[in-house]
This record gives sequence, C-alpha cells and structure tokens, in this order.
Amino acid sequence: GDSVTQMEGPVTLSEEAFLTINCTYTATGYPSLFWYVQYPGEGLQLLLKATKADDKGSNKGFEATYRKETTSFHLEKGSVQVSDSAVYFCALSDIVDTGRRALTFGSGTRLQVQP
Amino acid sequence: DAGVIQSPRHEVTEMGQEVTLRCKPISGHNSLFWYRQTMMRGLELLIYFNNNVPIDDSGMPEDRFSAKMPNASFSTLKIQPSEPRDSAVYFCASTDRGDNSPLHFGNGTRLTVT
Repeated sequence: GDSVTQMEGPVTLSEEAFLTINCTYTATGYPSLFWYVQYPGEGLQLLLKATKADDKGSNKGFEATYRKETTSFHLEKGSVQVSDSAVYFCALSDIVDTGRRALTFGSGTRLQVQP
Repeated sequence: DAGVIQSPRHEVTEMGQEVTLRCKPISGHNSLFWYRQTMMRGLELLIYFNNNVPIDDSGMPEDRFSAKMPNASFSTLKIQPSEPRDSAVYFCASTDRGDNSPLHFGNGTRLTVT
C-alpha cells in the first residue's frame, strides 16, 4: 500500500535559517503530492502541491519538487520566520480503483523557529 | 466561502455517554472525510464518503463508532458509548472528486472523555 515517511521532529531553527523537511513516499499509482501546515488549534491547510514529476509547488516562500526518481518531495524555505512555527504534513493522493481515492499522510514534523 | 464547519469545538463528557460530532462541508464538495488526531498515532482516517455514500470505513476503530451523511451538506460522527481512549481531536475535511484536489479541513472538535 501507499505510505509517506517524513523526518522526525521537532526541528528547531533560528529566524532566517534555511529549512529542509524531508519526505519520501511509496505509491502503487502515479500520485499527486501535497504539503499541509497545521497551526496550533487549527485544522490542516494546504501549503503547496505538485501533480507530476519535476513539478515544483511553491507558496509563501516554501517550495517542494516532485522527484519521481527518488520518490521524494522535500519541503524547503530559504529564510524561516517565527510565524512559520507549526506542524508540517507531507501527503499523497492516489486513485486506487474506480471511484476510490487513497489519501495518505505522513506523521508530521513540528517546526519551532526562535527569534 | 465559510470553509468546513465543525461543531462543537470542544466536548467534555463522561465515559459511557453518547457523543455526536457534526460537520458541514464546503458547498459543492462531494467527498467528505473524518480523521482523528492524537499525539500517539498522529492523523488517522476513520471514514470517507463520496456523494453521501460511505466508500471506505476500514479506519473506524470499532462498533462504538458510526458515521452518517444524510445529505450533501451534513455529516455526523457518533461514539456510543464513549471511552477515555477516544479522547482526541476529530477533524472533518471535504474536497471535490478531482484527482489533484486538496482537502479542506475544519478546525476540529477536541473531545475529552473522563
């Protein structure tokens, strides 16, 4: 079955540091890939997505590139801010059979940015 | 667009009581998902509906849990009887049927069973 593996947290960085959160996946089909962010007390929000190989998703300074050859979708940001402190989830969406969609989430990585 | 609306935001109940969580998906979305989030197990899919029909309920923990979607604009998740280990944050999410469509999550219901 499908699975998503992301790096354990927490990741603690100083403001303006470079961020990488690793995500790798296994899938039976050709999935779409997503990063979601969860701020305290809220539900998950879509951060960015990529739907085919070599696509780059980007939003709010975050980027991730769909790498089919390495089955990866690592999240990066060049300069983090305190307001980026949240939990980040990597996810994939795969059609497993007619009418049935499989959505698989990673376990989440907590990012703490210190001023 | 009001987003996915869940109620209540917080629920505290005693063991053995019935609990009903409610969700209103985004208008026009025809897939609805119920998730449970805990520190120990992370985000778990409980059940998902397409066009009001349950498609995959393999994540429903046991018979004490049931979910319904009587129409396109409303779903409930019921726990009867509730137990302390059911304490978690329960999220509802909706999307349209497009392969690449992301989920839109509600703000969740924090359930505490004492």
